[in-house]
Amino acid sequence: GAGVSQTPSNKVTEKGKYVELRCDPISGHTALYWYRQSLGQGPEFLIYFQGTGAADDSGLPNDRFFAVRPEGSVSTLKIQRTERGDSAVYLCASSLGVSRTYEQYFGPGTRLTVT
Amino acid sequence: AQSVAQPEDQVNVAEGNPLTVKCTYSVSGNPYLFWYVQYPNRGLQFLLKYITGDNLVKGSYGFEAEFNKSQTSFHLKKPSALVSDSALYFCAVRDSLNSGGGADGLTFGKGTHLIIQP
Repeated sequence: GAGVSQTPSNKVTEKGKYVELRCDPISGHTALYWYRQSLGQGPEFLIYFQGTGAADDSGLPNDRFFAVRPEGSVSTLKIQRTERGDSAVYLCASSLGVSRTYEQYFGPGTRLTVT
Repeated sequence: AQSVAQPEDQVNVAEGNPLTVKCTYSVSGNPYLFWYVQYPNRGLQFLLKYITGDNLVKGSYGFEAEFNKSQTSFHLKKPSALVSDSALYFCAVRDSLNSGGGADGLTFGKGTHLIIQP
């Protein structure tokens, strides 16, 4: 079946601009996660959704970052007033349920470059 | 807070030899442990997990991992390495307790580059 998809695959934007990154999880997966992976590092947790609500947004670095999942499926990560330090690969993952024992399935990521 | 350490940036193994990629962890409660592999320009792929029970877990592509509670380790192993196993490997952990600080997400190590030489 179809895996997690993310669009766009690459995004180049100028400092100060607004960007939206989209994630389409595996059908039927209720939990959705966003991570950020910088060069040479492992992914870092940003936010977690159970259904439509953000259950844990403690990883968001500041209030320029926001994410939504209005219908409990597709999610959008929004970054306002982008900074060069926001450049990274943004990964989305989904899992079958909310139990911490479930493995997460990752999308290919969106590579964001802020110039 | 939960944490993971992968002490080796790179591991070199000759094809056909056994391989081990090391991982240690720290959690407040019980650990839920995962291994993922990342090929160039591709997403993270799930290999295996330990939740409870038998300390030796088997996963995809002939990989296995051994959970050792006293050493807080979860090393990835394979009896006979293939050139196609060359990739970046990540160990990750979740805490069974709500220890705060993003405990609902996976906490990853920095990754280990595995290079299998023909």
